[in-house]
Amino acid sequence: GENVEQHPSTLSVQEGDSAVIKCTYSDSASNYFPWYKQELGKRPQLIIDIRSNVGEKKDQRIAVTLNKTAKHFSLHITETQPEDSAVYFCATCFGNEKLTFGTGTRLTIIP
Amino acid sequence: DGGITQSPKYLFRKEGQNVTLSCEQNLNHDAMYWYRQDPGQGLRLIYYSQIVNDFQKGDIAEGYSVSREKKESFPLTVTSAQKNPTAFYLCASRLAGEADTQYFGPGTRLTVL
Repeated sequence: GENVEQHPSTLSVQEGDSAVIKCTYSDSASNYFPWYKQELGKRPQLIIDIRSNVGEKKDQRIAVTLNKTAKHFSLHITETQPEDSAVYFCATCFGNEKLTFGTGTRLTIIP
Repeated sequence: DGGITQSPKYLFRKEGQNVTLSCEQNLNHDAMYWYRQDPGQGLRLIYYSQIVNDFQKGDIAEGYSVSREKKESFPLTVTSAQKNPTAFYLCASRLAGEADTQYFGPGTRLTVL
């Protein structure tokens, strides 16, 4: 089955700087790559996603890039703010069935 | 997200007891999912259902059971066969044909005493 590795597991960034989280996957057939943000004790919330026919997608301060050849995709957060502090999960999907999640990155924004 | 509800928010049970977690959605979504979340391990899929009266095992189905008698409901039973059931349980749903996007409920935190 699919294997998703996510790095780093923890990340501390000075407020205003950029943060980058990277995920690699094993199944070349995966075609959907969402990113979720989860605050402490809350549900995961979808923040951005990308499909395999697109190389990059941006939504205000967040962006996702996909390299299908290398089988990795990354989340980029620019101009970080304290409210960006949370755990971020990447995931992959093949077809319309189930997601496989990475193990999460705890992002801390230092004021 | 507001259309997916889980109850209760916190649940305590004694060892050897079965317990059922509720998940309801009013989004008219076809597919529903149950995940378990443990610290440092991300979300792991327990069971999922694409249509009423049908469901499939996920990666960690042992010790769990589900039913899907109604489109809007997908209850999860944690049985006494589950050796380490203390965890945060998340339900999700997805509209068939829409972009694979899953939306999560608020979760139930189960603690075995």
